[in-house]
Amino acid sequence: SQKIEQNSEALNIQEGKTATLTCNYTNYSPAYLQWYRQDPGRGPVFLLLIRENEKEKRKERLKVTFDTTLKQSLFHITASQPADSATYLCAPYTGFQKLVFGTGTRLLVSP
Amino acid sequence: DTAVSQTPKYLVTQMGNDKSIKCEQNLGHDTMYWYKQDSKKFLKIMFSYNNKELIINETVPNRFSPKSPDKAHLNLHINSLELGDSAVYFCASNKQGQETQYFGPGTRLLVL
Repeated sequence: SQKIEQNSEALNIQEGKTATLTCNYTNYSPAYLQWYRQDPGRGPVFLLLIRENEKEKRKERLKVTFDTTLKQSLFHITASQPADSATYLCAPYTGFQKLVFGTGTRLLVSP
Repeated sequence: DTAVSQTPKYLVTQMGNDKSIKCEQNLGHDTMYWYKQDSKKFLKIMFSYNNKELIINETVPNRFSPKSPDKAHLNLHINSLELGDSAVYFCASNKQGQETQYFGPGTRLLVL
């Protein structure tokens, strides 16, 4: 069956460092993959989309990579700030107009 | 403000009751979704409507019935509420052909 795995444990890093979050998927080949941010008590907010023919995508301090051989996407936040603390969800497109979300990784950036 | 809005924000009710959650978007989108996020934060799609037509219906109990009176609204009615229905329900929308989804603030349902 299709599976999406993100680190279930929180990632704690210090302000200024680079945060790297992992999303692994099995048993399908998504045409694209999205990353969303979710703050406590709020709905997810779209951050970045990367397509299967793109290796890397950047937006300000955010960078996403997509390795279709490894079936993995990495999400990087450089020069992290306490305001980046949130849960980050990956969502590969599974077809049939449907996104499937991973369980998310909670990022905590301490000053 | 252009957004996806949901009412109510919180809903506390007894087992066996029937309740409705409403969603409205003023983004001009034609596709709307209902997701359920459980206590483990797993966000799972339930239904999707495109131009008032049901296009995704995951394995959701018959007690859940979505209704889309027009492209801008998608409501969710739940009959005979059970303890396991306690969760946060999110509405989302997008324009057909566009990948990004826009989420509402969520409705926190607690069944006692």
